[in-house]
Amino acid sequence: QQQVKQSPQSLIVQKGGISIINCAYENTAFDYFPWYQQFPGKGPALLIAIRPDVSEKKEGRFTISFNKSAKQFSLHIMDSQPGDSATYFCAATSGNTPLVFGKGTRLSVIA
Amino acid sequence: DVKVTQSSRYLVKRTGEKVFLECVQDMDHENMFWYRQDPGLGLRLIYFSYDVKMKEKGDIPEGYSVSREKKERFSLILESASTNQTSMYLCASTLGRYEQYFGPGTRLTVT
Repeated sequence: QQQVKQSPQSLIVQKGGISIINCAYENTAFDYFPWYQQFPGKGPALLIAIRPDVSEKKEGRFTISFNKSAKQFSLHIMDSQPGDSATYFCAATSGNTPLVFGKGTRLSVIA
Repeated sequence: DVKVTQSSRYLVKRTGEKVFLECVQDMDHENMFWYRQDPGLGLRLIYFSYDVKMKEKGDIPEGYSVSREKKERFSLILESASTNQTSMYLCASTLGRYEQYFGPGTRLTVT
């Protein structure tokens, strides 16, 4: 119930391509779905977040797509750049409990 | 600017030693968290605190304890360090229950 399943574990994308990372959850009480970005040697930092009352949120090249009926959400990185190479974590919470994190996706964007 | 600081970036300790990891936040946040990060396992919650003097067990509290005597400071204690506690330790804080700010992490090696 509390798990967030993230895939793929690693991803290699060509520069300029689209990176897609998927997450699935079971707990229908979750009402906040953030994505965190972590560069080597740094702590994770909030990238973008969505609440279940919208199906999509876009910030620059980063978009979250949310499918409430399927209990899935995904991160799309358009025009992927080498500087986007990092580990990405999805997470979820109902606000009454700490964030539950996926296991992470290591993204490598190659030129 | 938001700031979560951790006392050490790298730490090497011997098996059986008592280890203190310190975390300080300057944002007057009520909630603080300790995670460990291991390859392929993502971020696993060790302990968290929603108020001074208050603590709650996370998913993997065994072998750890915490202390929160002041609002801005949350300490993680390894009572008797073991080699399986070699990991990256991340501290985080939030004002409400949602956006978390992470520190840079402490890479602990137990030999």
